[in-house]
Amino acid sequence: ILNVEQSPQSLHVQEGDSTNFTCSFPSSNFYALHWYRWETAKSPEALFVMTLNGDEKKKGRISATLNTKEGYSYLYIKGSQPEDSATYLCAPYKLIFGTGTRLQVFP
Amino acid sequence: NAGVTQTPKFQVLKTGQSMTLQCAQDMNHEYMSWYRQDPGMGLRLIHYSVGAGITDQGEVPNGYNVSRSTTEDFPLRLLSAAPSQTSVYFCASSYSISRPSYNEQFFGPGTRLTVL
Repeated sequence: ILNVEQSPQSLHVQEGDSTNFTCSFPSSNFYALHWYRWETAKSPEALFVMTLNGDEKKKGRISATLNTKEGYSYLYIKGSQPEDSATYLCAPYKLIFGTGTRLQVFP
Repeated sequence: NAGVTQTPKFQVLKTGQSMTLQCAQDMNHEYMSWYRQDPGMGLRLIHYSVGAGITDQGEVPNGYNVSRSTTEDFPLRLLSAAPSQTSVYFCASSYSISRPSYNEQFFGPGTRLTVL
């Protein structure tokens, strides 16, 4: 079983704050990492896929970076909005997900 | 396209009962999988399939069976339901999982199962 850790488990921020969280994974046999966004009462939806060491992806106010040598990825949200409230999952091995970071943004 | 569909949306079972959770996709995806979601544990892989006729176990396969007779359908069977199987179940599909594919998974809406 591959150990995929996400931290923190949960995060509460004020609207307008910027935030970031981490996905850590064993770096051996890596080939792609997906980030998913999972809103309450909905299904997870893909945000990014990253494959190369040093990759950076951006979608609006959300961006992500990847370090395959040390086995981690960061997800950043700039100027958080209440609609960013969701659980963010990483999947560094396609079938295996981390436990997620639950973000709540208060107005 | 309907995407990934799951039925039923809700189900209550008594301990020892059996049932089948249905999953179908109309995107001609090779890969399908079943996950369960429990508080604080994210998504845990139960079983997966890389194509019709091919299935394999995930992290938590005990108590569940699957089959993949067609590309479209991937039902999950609970043989003898136990309270520990109370969970939300998600089915997902993807075009491929083989290298160098980087395709994301598409998820169904989930089935909330309670076992009394």
